[in-house]
Amino acid sequence: KAGVTQTPRYLIKTRGQQVTLSCSPISGHRSVSWYQQTPGQGLQFLFEYFSETQRNKGNFPGRFSGRQFSNSRSEMNVSTLELGDSALYLCASSLDASADTQYFGPGTRLTVL
Amino acid sequence: AQSVSQHNHHVILSEAASLELGCNYSYGGTVNLFWYVQYPGQHLQLLLKYFSGDPLVKGIKGFEAEFIKSKFSFNLRKPSVQWSDTAEYFCAVNAWGSGNTGKLIFGQGTTLQVKP
Repeated sequence: KAGVTQTPRYLIKTRGQQVTLSCSPISGHRSVSWYQQTPGQGLQFLFEYFSETQRNKGNFPGRFSGRQFSNSRSEMNVSTLELGDSALYLCASSLDASADTQYFGPGTRLTVL
Repeated sequence: AQSVSQHNHHVILSEAASLELGCNYSYGGTVNLFWYVQYPGQHLQLLLKYFSGDPLVKGIKGFEAEFIKSKFSFNLRKPSVQWSDTAEYFCAVNAWGSGNTGKLIFGQGTTLQVKP
């Protein structure tokens, strides 16, 4: 079985721009969660989607949003980028619920200049 | 809200030394517990997990962890480390009830450096 895939792997943007990141879960997995990883803050939960509905949300501003499609693929969008948004964005999928074992993708490295 | 604390930020060991990494969480209700590992240049991988049952759980590559409910702890152990165990280790917890909604909360991570 193919693992979680994320595209693109690397992105460079400038302040004020917006960005969309994509995640394809493991086949058969219906839950997708997103995390931000930075050296200072570690791994922080952004949100979780299940059956196209946001089921859980972390403490991030409204500039961070996401969605899930009927095939369980998910996208994450960050609008009005700030320098502090530079991070590794990780996607994880699990079978049914975020409480199941989550399997992580390689991440998208976002650099905001 | 749930929080997870990893006591050791950076650990340096020689090969064959024993390893114990501490993890404590703040909530005493229903929890699932995980240890993940991130090898240099690779993505997060699951080492082991505890959902219920025997509090001593065994994972991949000779790692094990013990869930001690009374101490809110889930420490990771390995009797004899190898150079290939050099990586960053993350403890993570799902919790439900008292404002916890099941999202996975990670500790800050422990960087393990094993000297050959």
